[in-house]
Amino acid sequence: DVKVTQSSRYLVKRTGEKVFLECVQDMDHENMFWYRQDPGLGLRLIYFSYDVKMKEKGDIPEGYSVSREKKERFSLILESASTNQTSMYLCASRRGGAGETQYFGPGTRLLVL
Amino acid sequence: GQQLNQSPQSMFIQEGEDVSMNCTSSSIFNTWLWYKQEPGEGPVLLIALYKAGELTSNGRLTAQFGITRKDSFLNISASIPSDVGIYFCAGRESNFGNEKLTFGTGTRLTIIP
Repeated sequence: DVKVTQSSRYLVKRTGEKVFLECVQDMDHENMFWYRQDPGLGLRLIYFSYDVKMKEKGDIPEGYSVSREKKERFSLILESASTNQTSMYLCASRRGGAGETQYFGPGTRLLVL
Repeated sequence: GQQLNQSPQSMFIQEGEDVSMNCTSSSIFNTWLWYKQEPGEGPVLLIALYKAGELTSNGRLTAQFGITRKDSFLNISASIPSDVGIYFCAGRESNFGNEKLTFGTGTRLTIIP
């Protein structure tokens, strides 16, 4: 059974804190993605990675960074959390090349106070 | 980044009714996808479309790739309680799997018993 897991389902942090969101996939997928989901805005791509140590900016990268040191793990980092980063964060992975099935994790709901 | 306009934003229907939703884009897409997100979970792929005019079914779900390549439609026939969730369209300008997706704003489906 394919699986994308995210380290936390719910997280509460204070403004200015450094926040790490971890994502692990067990399918040996090359491509991994971080999205944020907000009501009325759908899913917006923050960053993605095609391979280990590779990263590319998505549509809304400001205020975020990522790390992919191992193929199975893709981390999203909020260097200094702000209240406007309160959101649902979704990680996804997909194998390289053709093929549509992008597997999503269950999401991390982050509240920044 | 580009966003897709998806309508309606929400639907309240009775069990057994048919459902229709659509997605429009200002630019041409060569791939259209439909996802469903159930409460507390990440989105799951329902249907993938690759050709203008294509009509594809998955059980009670039918999706169409618009002739203009700027829109797509999803229909659900004879709705049942487990159809509840948020439905997202997603599009890609190329037919190549590695290019990133643009997601719609979502349609929240609620079924009244």
